[in-house]
Parts: sequence; structure tokens; C-alpha cells
Amino acid sequence: DSGVTQTPKHLITATGQRVTLRCSPRSGDLSVYWYQQSLDQGLQFLIQYYNGEERAKGNILERFSAQQFPDLHSELNLSSLELGDSALYFCASRGDGELFFGEGSRLTVL
Amino acid sequence: AQSVTQLGSHVSVSEGALVLLRCNYSSSVPPYLFWYVQYPNQGLQLLLKYTSAATLVKGINGFEAEFKKSETSFHLTKPSAHMSDAAEYFCAVSESSWETSYDKVIFGPGTSLSVIP
Repeated sequence: DSGVTQTPKHLITATGQRVTLRCSPRSGDLSVYWYQQSLDQGLQFLIQYYNGEERAKGNILERFSAQQFPDLHSELNLSSLELGDSALYFCASRGDGELFFGEGSRLTVL
Repeated sequence: AQSVTQLGSHVSVSEGALVLLRCNYSSSVPPYLFWYVQYPNQGLQLLLKYTSAATLVKGINGFEAEFKKSETSFHLTKPSAHMSDAAEYFCAVSESSWETSYDKVIFGPGTSLSVIP
């Protein structure tokens, strides 16, 4: 158990819809990272937050947004969903120099 | 910007044979380097990390990696493969600015390791 909690574990939705993925970092970790893992794109860095503020941005689409709340949990919002957004979305928190990953949220867009 | 390449998307070894998974990185600053393993339907788990201390890093499950600055490499090895080592392996590089808390951890495309009995 990494200590990072992600919900939901599985999500099935339709094109055009909006979903929210939630992440709770390990106790004491201030940084949260979001990654998208798909078969053709590998593990893509989306965005990093530190203590509530955005710090680094990767290949995140404009249809996607994220935030980190005062209690340090984070949410990734995906809107106007397309078939290609189907993927495994990972959250990680960083402590002691390493990333601790959650088990991921598998999103299927039909 | 930092980047990671992993030579060989699929590697097969016999049980008991040497495991060698290759990783080359690009970074504009002294990097932090990592190897992670992912088993089916699971998240990523840290195998080992390099943070500018010893260049030979030992990790869990008998894995180790050597940082070679001149070759910009961080190859992962294990002397004797076990069936349980079959998984996806990812190399990652981080450029951090602790002053601004800026941190981007970039992963390579991964190498799928198969172990043949």
C-alpha cells in the first residue's frame, strides 16, 4: 500500500461527458502529480501541484483541468470526453525524493 | 527539457539469466533518476533511485543500476532473473527546483520484461 488513494477505480462514461477523478496523497506529502497511461502514449505527465499551487505542466489538454485543495487532496477534471481519453489515470505524491503512486483510475469512454 | 529513452520495448530472458534493461536520459541539470516497476493492473512501485550520491545504486528484489554521466545512462540489471520479475519497467528522470517547488518527473516508454522458464 503506497498510501496514495484514488477514486473511482473504474469509470465508464460516454463521449461528451465530464468526469472528476480524485486523489488523496500520502500523509505529509505536499506534492501531487497526475499522469495518463495509455497503450499508444505510454505514461504521460499531465500536471504537478505543490501545497495547493500549480508548479509544473506537461501534456495536459485544455479540456482537462486540475486543482489541489487546502487539505492537499487533488481532483482531475476531464470534460468533453473523447474516445481517445480512455486510459488509466495515475496520481502520485512525492516524498523522500520518490514518487508514490496510487492504483489508478481506469476511464473508459464509449 | 528532460527526456528518457529505453532501448527495447520488449525484452525476454531465461530464468536465471542476467537481466539488462537500458535507459538513457537527457537533462539540462544534474538529474534525479528512477526505475519503477509495474505489475499488471497495479500502480508503479519504486525499484531504486539515484540522487547524486553513489553512482551504483542497489534497489529492491536484487536489482541495481549504475549512473554513468559520460554516457547519460542509467541501466538496470539483475544477475539472475526470476519468473516473478516479469513486468513493465519504467525509467524516469526528474529536474527539480526546490526553491520554486517546480518538479517534472518524466517517464520513459517502458520495457516489458518476459522471463522464460
